[in-house]
Amino acid sequence: SQTIHQWPATLVQPVGSPLSLECTVEGTSNPNLYWYRQAAGRGLQLLFYSVGIGQISSEVPQNLSASRPQDRQFILSSKKLLLSDSGFYLCAWSVVAVAGELFFGEGSRLTVL
Amino acid sequence: GEDVEQSLFLSVREGDSSVINCTYTDSSSTYLYWYKQEPGAGLQLLTYIFSNMDMKQDQRLTVLLNKKDKHLSLRIADTQTGDSAIYFCAESDRGSTLGRLYFGRGTQLTVWP
Repeated sequence: SQTIHQWPATLVQPVGSPLSLECTVEGTSNPNLYWYRQAAGRGLQLLFYSVGIGQISSEVPQNLSASRPQDRQFILSSKKLLLSDSGFYLCAWSVVAVAGELFFGEGSRLTVL
Repeated sequence: GEDVEQSLFLSVREGDSSVINCTYTDSSSTYLYWYKQEPGAGLQLLTYIFSNMDMKQDQRLTVLLNKKDKHLSLRIADTQTGDSAIYFCAESDRGSTLGRLYFGRGTQLTVWP
């Protein structure tokens, strides 16, 4: 069966510090991978998606970047965090042939102070 | 872009029915989804409906789709305290093979014993 792991689950970082959130998927090959952010009182915003190794598309301009160094690994990064980067970050994957059905990780809560 | 609108809060008594409503804008969406998010966790797909259907029933869940009005609803029969969660409506990107979804802000359902 397929599983998705995200870490760390909780992170408190000072403004200006770097960020690295990791996500790995097991039990499937060549998945589409996604990073969503859920800010307080707001819906889910798609930040990045990837259809293959090294292929990253950004939905909105921001202080974050993403990388996919391996087929089932997706990393969300920042060189210098802003207060507005605080939120709940969700990694998800989907099967190419079934558009729309996303499988989410448990999320990473980031607080920037 | 696509806009998905939902009311933010709903409170019901245990045993009553809950109806969560959603409106969407992209009439060409292939699938419409309901996701459930329990506190501090990722999202889980609850159910979905194909755009050529009017209704889908799955145990206690009934999804109604009015394509003319672009209105989607989720009815939960015999609501239980374990149903307390945030429910997200989502539509698929038109013609998307990427599984890109557009989410509403979520409806916080609170079930009182």
